[in-house]
Amino acid sequence: AQKVTQAQTEISVVEKEDVTLDCVYETRDTTYYLFWYKQPPSGELVFLIRRNSFDEQNEISGRYSWNFQKSTSSFNFTITASQVVDSAVYFCALSPPTGTASKLTFGTGTRLQVTL
Amino acid sequence: GAVVSQHPSRVICKSGTSVKIECRSLDFQATTMFWYRQFPKQSLMLMATSNEGSKATYEQGVEKDKFLINHASLTLSTLTVTSAHPEDSSFYICSAPPYADTQYFGPGTRLTVL
Repeated sequence: AQKVTQAQTEISVVEKEDVTLDCVYETRDTTYYLFWYKQPPSGELVFLIRRNSFDEQNEISGRYSWNFQKSTSSFNFTITASQVVDSAVYFCALSPPTGTASKLTFGTGTRLQVTL
Repeated sequence: GAVVSQHPSRVICKSGTSVKIECRSLDFQATTMFWYRQFPKQSLMLMATSNEGSKATYEQGVEKDKFLINHASLTLSTLTVTSAHPEDSSFYICSAPPYADTQYFGPGTRLTVL
């Protein structure tokens, strides 16, 4: 069985602060994919990143960065210099690779509130 | 980029009526689509996998006779909530993979059953 845990239910920061969202996963699969999605108040899920379990390199995209640690089964997401527009619910998700479409197992989400 | 649309975005209906929600992949074909349900301030729960040209696969605990899924073409899947009741009120989201092992999500449909 697969499980994703996002222990932080809500985080509040002041604009320009850095913030890290934690994600810990459980799976028996030897290969898998990890994802982060952003859900703004409008409700639409926005794809942020997909990471293959073979690739443990950290990734940076603008103000976003991801730290994948296979040894601790974690895939944490850091927003640098947060902005009000970053306010949203962020979901971490896990799927087994099948070569086609795979079911996603979502964490419970972390609600990020960025204030001025 | 890959886009998934849903229609309607919001629907209010009376208890006992049926509601159809459409999910379309706009610039790619999808033999498989997924339907999720999200209650307020909760995570997304997979309801079923929609397979083009064949029966949908439902997750445990999801009533297939209540949530009818039809995947009639490579770009369209529909979810029909039959005889809706207030407890069916929720946010329904579909997703489709533009390429292997990645899903793009529709904007969601908020269903309110009075």
